Amino acid sequence: AQSVTQLGSHVSVSEGALVLLRCNYSSSVPPYLFWYVQYPNQGLQLLLKYTTGATLVKGINGFEAEFKKSETSFHLTKPSAHMSDAAEYFCAVSDGNNNDMRFGAGTRLTVKP
Amino acid sequence: DAGVIQSPRHEVTEMGQEVTLRCKPISGHNSLFWYRQTMMRGLELLIYFNNNVPIDDSGMPEDRFSAKMPNASFSTLKIQPSEPRDSAVYFCASSLMVGGLGAGELFFGEGSRLTVL
Repeated sequence: AQSVTQLGSHVSVSEGALVLLRCNYSSSVPPYLFWYVQYPNQGLQLLLKYTTGATLVKGINGFEAEFKKSETSFHLTKPSAHMSDAAEYFCAVSDGNNNDMRFGAGTRLTVKP
Repeated sequence: DAGVIQSPRHEVTEMGQEVTLRCKPISGHNSLFWYRQTMMRGLELLIYFNNNVPIDDSGMPEDRFSAKMPNASFSTLKIQPSEPRDSAVYFCASSLMVGGLGAGELFFGEGSRLTVL
């Protein structure tokens, strides 16, 4: 079975600073990896996903993530944080079957002016 | 296109009452998921359906919880009787599986916030 660990339940950055949210996964098969974002009082929406091919994946709002098999990681980055990026971010892994998608505990991102 | 629609958005009820949460998935999607989100346990998968058929309900906490999907455009999650520990945000999500695989994204509704007093 797959699992995901998100390091850091809270991350705080200044506006304009680099955003780095960490995600490590465990999977016995080639993983499909996802990052979702949840704004207050809303559902989750997809930021980006990795299935196969290029390991550097670009998503919406300037976010990107790199699949590193050797490190079993899929960290999310953004070069310059905006106030509007403040939200909760979830990493998820599946074996290609959405019916077995496992979410991490989430990381709450705070952006300071 | 309308997204996943959930109702009610907020529900406050008293312990022992029946609660019914509703979900309309995105038209054309063939998989539907019910999740529960709490501070303590995060996001938990309760049950999912493929082509209206419940596939795995191992995440359903106990017999007080039941879910149905009578057709491709409607699903319900029922709690009877409700208890204070059921207080949470319940999300419905849908996706499209092709060829038995579904690596596409889950589309989430805005959730139903349940408070049981």
